[in-house]
Amino acid sequence: QSVLTQPPSASGTPGQTVTISCSGSSSNIGSYTVNWYQQLPGTAPKLLMYSNNQRPSGVPDRVSGSKSGTSASLAISGLQSEDEADYYCAAWDDSLSGWVFGGGTKVTVL
Amino acid sequence: QLQLQESGPGLVKPSETLSLTCTVSGGSISSSSYYWDWIRQPPGKGLEWIGSIHYIGSTYYNPSLKSRVTISVDTSNNQFSLKLTSVTAADTAVYFCAREYTIREFDSWGHGTLVTVSS
Repeated sequence: QSVLTQPPSASGTPGQTVTISCSGSSSNIGSYTVNWYQQLPGTAPKLLMYSNNQRPSGVPDRVSGSKSGTSASLAISGLQSEDEADYYCAAWDDSLSGWVFGGGTKVTVL
Repeated sequence: QLQLQESGPGLVKPSETLSLTCTVSGGSISSSSYYWDWIRQPPGKGLEWIGSIHYIGSTYYNPSLKSRVTISVDTSNNQFSLKLTSVTAADTAVYFCAREYTIREFDSWGHGTLVTVSS
């Protein structure tokens, strides 16, 4: 059972927008910024979004992030086949004095 | 370009100690802005944070693993290490090392190394 809650799966057709939610509490998302990772099969996670809505260099602007209260979301618009991957949210948690992750969302491009 | 590389045995017997080292290249481990972390992923499952260390030696550990985990740093060799004692099959996972911009994000990851706990 992960501290941050994500839907296990999401899907869309090419060109559509898929949105992934991440729900937490006041001790994590409510107090700290959220970041998102993309993990392609057999590879290490890659930073996709930091500080709720900041894209690292090289991440396309069709990927966006937001946070409100104790929840965050990641949106991928103009869905492409290369977006098929697992996506994880993460945040620091004050009560645990450590990092917590969501359980991950598998995105499928139909 | 910062690179992190995990190294260590791929097979550990139950009840023994898992030991891994992460070698950092292309940058210094002795930076005040960063912590250095271990994260693991059991086969087919999600990510679990194990713990982190700053180059001055301050550490944070996952409460669920704290009694079995030690993370140390070797600034002279630009490395940090993980020791996990009394391992069981539940500790079988891909172990990643990562650089953490303090309490903000993991901005660089190693490729990961699979450690299997089996007799």
